[in-house]
Amino acid sequence: GAGVSQSPSNKVTEKGKDVELRCDPISGHTALYWYRQSLGQGLEFLIYFQGNSAPDKSGLPSDRFSAERTGGSVSTLTIQRTQQEDSAVYLCASSSYRATNEKLFFGSGTQLSVL
Amino acid sequence: QKEVEQNSGPLSVPEGAIASLNCTYSDRGSQSFFWYRQYSGKSPELIMFIYSNGDKEDGRFTAQLNKASQYVSLLIRDSQPSDSATYLCAVMGAAGNKLTFGGGTRVLVKP
Repeated sequence: GAGVSQSPSNKVTEKGKDVELRCDPISGHTALYWYRQSLGQGLEFLIYFQGNSAPDKSGLPSDRFSAERTGGSVSTLTIQRTQQEDSAVYLCASSSYRATNEKLFFGSGTQLSVL
Repeated sequence: QKEVEQNSGPLSVPEGAIASLNCTYSDRGSQSFFWYRQYSGKSPELIMFIYSNGDKEDGRFTAQLNKASQYVSLLIRDSQPSDSATYLCAVMGAAGNKLTFGGGTRVLVKP
């Protein structure tokens, strides 16, 4: 596709359930980010993948959160035993990372609601 | 101290005036600085980036960077109602990987 694709666009789940969020970056983009945005707040960094390097997981809020990137392309963010405070928009972004001023292209996000 | 700080606003400006947004950052080794615009319910989109001290102009937007003061700003000249959005400052760290965002400044341009 032409842009970053995220699915699902909306996810409603019950407290304690596991959820998986998917991100398809722009083809050829080696850098992939996950951010979380609560209502009216800025973007909270979660995790960063760059090529074959070990991911920067420093933003993951707890061990209930994990992410992987298969084949350097598609990424999945998994939240285990969801809590109400996990409710937010989860944004994925990718870039070609040819230089440190490379533009990030964002997906439309997944709105997660934990009841 | 947050890594990237912005005044949350709202910053209310009359149509045609200059909107001035400020951002400070804590990592003195930061390399690149970005301004993203986010309309309500939409994803952020890049409007400016700057990596050298001084001013950078692009149309009605001017980014200003002062690395000694760890300060970056965005000026919007001739503000239009369509400029009403949240403006997010983002900083690329010294390691050149993680892009950290501030909390954003909400701008309201009144006709």
